[in-house]
Amino acid sequence: EAGVTQSPTHLIKTRGQQATLRCSPISGHTSVYWYQQALGLGLQFLLWYDEGEERNRGNFPPRFSGRQFPNYSSELNVNALELEDSALYLCASSGDGEKLFFGSGTQLSVL
Amino acid sequence: GENVEQHPSTLSVQEGDSAVIKCTYSDSASNYFPWYKQELGKRPQLIIDIRSNVGEKKDQRIAVTLNKTAKHFSLHITETQPEDSAVYFCAASRSGGSNYKLTFGKGTLLTVNP
Repeated sequence: EAGVTQSPTHLIKTRGQQATLRCSPISGHTSVYWYQQALGLGLQFLLWYDEGEERNRGNFPPRFSGRQFPNYSSELNVNALELEDSALYLCASSGDGEKLFFGSGTQLSVL
Repeated sequence: GENVEQHPSTLSVQEGDSAVIKCTYSDSASNYFPWYKQELGKRPQLIIDIRSNVGEKKDQRIAVTLNKTAKHFSLHITETQPEDSAVYFCAASRSGGSNYKLTFGKGTLLTVNP
């Protein structure tokens, strides 16, 4: 069984640009979660999608947004990139609403 | 919202010793407490979890304890091995409901010296 897959692995952008990150959940999982992992700050909750709807969002500005497609894959968009957005972005999926299975992440670097 | 504090931030032990990582949470309604292990350059992986109706859970060399009254829970690793070296994250959430959100601690870097 394939795990959670994320693309791209690395992404380099300049300040002010937009970034799009993609995630495919484990087959059968309908919930997708996005987390930001910045150095020394642990995993910060960004967004939760379930059945195509945004269910909850963390304490991040509106320029962090996303969506979930009918096949349950998901996209995270970050507009007007700032230097402090540089981090590892992790996607996770869940089949029971509790246990999260993480992807390997997208390392976003903003120059 | 929920706030999870984790201590220590770094922990170094000799192979064969025990390691203990402690977390406290703020939301008394939290009822699900997982622990994740993240090896260098790899994805976080669930290693053990506990629910609020249970005080202790063991899985081989790993155990987790929960004190609901004090709102703290701990991870215990016995007979540590070099492959236990990783960053460990505790987390807490209210399981179920539309406001589900797993809140993580800042992590503990565990180093097991051979």
